[in-house]
Amino acid sequence: ILNVEQSPQSLHVQEGDSTNFTCSFPSSNFYALHWYRWETAKSPEALFVMTLNGDEKKKGRISATLNTKEGYSYLYIKGSQPEDSATYLCAFISGGSYIPTFGRGTSLIVHP
Amino acid sequence: DSGVTQTPKHLITATGQRVTLRCSPRSGDLSVYWYQQSLDQGLQFLIQYYNGEERAKGNILERFSAQQFPDLHSELNLSSLELGDSALYFCASSPTGTSGTYEQYFGPGTRLTVT
Repeated sequence: ILNVEQSPQSLHVQEGDSTNFTCSFPSSNFYALHWYRWETAKSPEALFVMTLNGDEKKKGRISATLNTKEGYSYLYIKGSQPEDSATYLCAFISGGSYIPTFGRGTSLIVHP
Repeated sequence: DSGVTQTPKHLITATGQRVTLRCSPRSGDLSVYWYQQSLDQGLQFLIQYYNGEERAKGNILERFSAQQFPDLHSELNLSSLELGDSALYFCASSPTGTSGTYEQYFGPGTRLTVT
């Protein structure tokens, strides 16, 4: 069973704060890492697909970095807004099985 | 709207029964993935089909089966249902057969309640 850990489990920030959270995954047999945003009562929405060590991706105020050698990815949100409130999931895809293993997510709540 | 549709939205049934969940992928996507989200667990991968053929299998119970039809829609069959099968079942689609390098687009989910 592959271990994909996300921290923190939950996070409360004030509007305008910048924040970041971590996804840790096995450092061997890496194929890809996905980040998803999951709002309550909706379905997960893809944010980033990361495949290369050192990858940095950006979409508006949200960005992500990837370190496959040490097995972690960071997701950053700059100037958080209430509409950023959601659970952020990462999914590790290994090169052996190509099966996605999801972390439990980080629940972000942004207070106005 | 991701373009992936799932029916029904809600399903309530009794233990021991059999149900079928249906998924239509985005236009042009050849892969369909099925996931289970239960209260005490994260999102669990069940099975993937690519262009009609099983491509990858996760922690799918023997009581569960799936298939993908020539028009690329997929069905997940759950039989001999138990209380613990109550969960949100998502399907997702992507253009290719390898789950890593392309985004997956998730449907709205089917909420299954077994009583």
